[in-house]
Amino acid sequence: SQTIHQWPATLVQPVGSPLSLECTVEGTSNPNLYWYRQAAGRGLQLLFYSVGIGQISSEVPQNLSASRPQDRQFILSSKKLLLSDSGFYLCAWSGSGEGYTFGSGTRLTVV
Amino acid sequence: RKEVEQDPGPFNVPEGATVAFNCTYSNSASQSFFWYRQDCRKEPKLLMSVYSSGNEDGRFTAQLNRASQYISLLIRDSKLSDSATYLCVVSGGGYSTLTFGKGTMLLVSP
Repeated sequence: SQTIHQWPATLVQPVGSPLSLECTVEGTSNPNLYWYRQAAGRGLQLLFYSVGIGQISSEVPQNLSASRPQDRQFILSSKKLLLSDSGFYLCAWSGSGEGYTFGSGTRLTVV
Repeated sequence: RKEVEQDPGPFNVPEGATVAFNCTYSNSASQSFFWYRQDCRKEPKLLMSVYSSGNEDGRFTAQLNRASQYISLLIRDSKLSDSATYLCVVSGGGYSTLTFGKGTMLLVSP
């Protein structure tokens, strides 16, 4: 069966520090991969999605970036975090035309 | 107009009650529709897909009205464990990325 792993679960980072969040999927090949952010009291915002290795689409211009170095690995990065980057970051995968399965999320607090 | 609109609630209902949530979407080309459930401080989890013919899964019934661009979720015989936020989810044109509503909060009390 397919599983999705996301870490860390919780992160507290100072403003201006770098960020790297990792997500891996097991049990499937060539998944579509997604990064979402959910700010406190707000809906899910799509940040990036990828349909294959090295293919990244950005939905919202900001100081975040994403990379997909391997088929089942998706990384979210920032060179310098802002206070507004705080939120609940969720990685998800899907097959074609299906609903998404989410990882357990990373709760990021920028201080 | 927002892409996916939901009443944020909260809907406060007693155990055993029947409750219905509605959702409207703006993209008439959307092809896929879902309801997700999100517990406090947890990731969203797929509750059910929504088909044109409507579908039922135990106490849960979902309906789609393409003409009105409207989706509904009916929960019968509410349980305490149904307390959560219910997210309406719609694809973009064709089978592209999914857009999530902000959710409707349900609180079921004893």
